[in-house]
Amino acid sequence: GDSVTQMEGPVTLSEEAFLTINCTYTATGYPSLFWYVQYPGEGLQLLLKATKADDKGSNKGFEATYRKETTSFHLEKGSVQVSDSAVYFCALTPAEAGNMLTFGGGTRLMVKP
Amino acid sequence: ETGVTQTPRHLVMGMTNKKSLKCEQHLGHNAMYWYKQSAKKPLELMFVYNFKEQTENNSVPSRFSPECPNSSHLFLHLHTLQPEDSALYLCASSHRPELNTGELFFGEGSRLTVL
Repeated sequence: GDSVTQMEGPVTLSEEAFLTINCTYTATGYPSLFWYVQYPGEGLQLLLKATKADDKGSNKGFEATYRKETTSFHLEKGSVQVSDSAVYFCALTPAEAGNMLTFGGGTRLMVKP
Repeated sequence: ETGVTQTPRHLVMGMTNKKSLKCEQHLGHNAMYWYKQSAKKPLELMFVYNFKEQTENNSVPSRFSPECPNSSHLFLHLHTLQPEDSALYLCASSHRPELNTGELFFGEGSRLTVL
């Protein structure tokens, strides 16, 4: 079956550091890929998405590129802020799967001032 | 008013109790979902309802019983749970699942502890 693997956290960075959170997936066909974020005490919310190979999703300074050849969707941000501290989830849904999301285990990011 | 509201936020119950979790969405969505979030494990999809009809039961034990009386409300009835059922239960909603946008709107969750 489909699966998503994320780097284990926590990831601890200083403010303004560069962020990369790795995500790789296993799926048949051409799934859509997502990053969700969960701030402390809140529900998950969609951060960005990409629906086909080589697409780049971006939002709030975060970016991720759909790499079919490496089955990856790594999340990056050039300069993190304390307010970015949260848990980040990579997810996929196969084509025509009706929003049946498969999530990775989540990566906690802690940004220190 | 937040988009997806879950109550209670915290619940402690014994293994012989019967309790219910409630979810309400104010976004005009057609589909609602229950997910289980356990420590050190990926989110697990439990149930999906589309226009009040259950379209997915991801091999969930019968001690969890969902109910969806309308497109805005979703319940999870709990009875004779086990300690390993302790987790954060997340409700989500979305537009028509057949659009496959992958965009779900989540509530803050109900933290369940089974003693």
